[in-house]
Amino acid sequence: DTAVSQTPKYLVTQMGNDKSIKCEQNLGHDTMYWYKQDSKKFLKIMFSYNNKELIINETVPNRFSPKSPDKAHLNLHINSLELGDSAVYFCASRFGAGQETQYFGPGTRLLVL
Amino acid sequence: AQSVTQLGSHVSVSEGALVLLRCNYSSSVPPYLFWYVQYPNQGLQLLLKYTSAATLVKGINGFEAEFKKSETSFHLTKPSAHMSDAAEYFCAVSDRSGGGADGLTFGKGTHLIIQP
Repeated sequence: DTAVSQTPKYLVTQMGNDKSIKCEQNLGHDTMYWYKQDSKKFLKIMFSYNNKELIINETVPNRFSPKSPDKAHLNLHINSLELGDSAVYFCASRFGAGQETQYFGPGTRLLVL
Repeated sequence: AQSVTQLGSHVSVSEGALVLLRCNYSSSVPPYLFWYVQYPNQGLQLLLKYTSAATLVKGINGFEAEFKKSETSFHLTKPSAHMSDAAEYFCAVSDRSGGGADGLTFGKGTHLIIQP
C-alpha cells in the first residue's frame, strides 16, 4: 500500500486555469505538508496543516489554498495559474513533533503553458 | 531563521570510492537533521536522521552521517559507492523549538554522479 499518494502525477494546463492536486496518506499521521520543487530542484515548504491549524509560508501567493476534508487528506487548489507555477509539488505527512520523519508522496509535475 | 548549506551542487566519484556529501546548518539551537535521497522522477526517501541520541547515525543503503556541533555539520558518507547511489541528495533541518506543524528547511541538494 502506498503511504502517501498524490493525484494526478502529471498536470499540463493553460495559464489562467484553476486546478487541484489531491493528497492522501494512510499512515494515521496528524500533520500534512505541501512543498514546491522548482526547476533547479530547490524544495520549499508551502503549507503545513495540523489539527485544523494551517500555517502558511508567507511567500506563497494567495492563489494557492490548501483544503483538508479530513486528517488523511490535504488537497492543494491553485487559482489563475501562472507560468511560474510550473514545478513539482510534493505532499508529505508526519506524526507528532519535529524529530519525526516526514514521508513524501511521489510528486505532481505541473506544467503551465 | 534556519538555513542549510550543501557544498557542491554536483559530486562525482568512481564506483567503489568513498562518498562524502557536505551539509552545514545555521541555527542557535542544534536542530533535528535529516538526509533525504531523490531518484529521478520520484519522491524523497529518508536515508537517516539525527535527533540527539547518537552523534554517528547509520542509515539505509550503507550511508551514515556524523553530527558535529562544533562545526555545525552533518556530512553524509558511504565507504564504497555503487552505481545505484546516483541520485539527488538533500540535507534538511527541522526546528526543535516548535511542535505541531513545522516543516523542513532544505539545502539546495547535491547531485551525486557515479563513474564506472
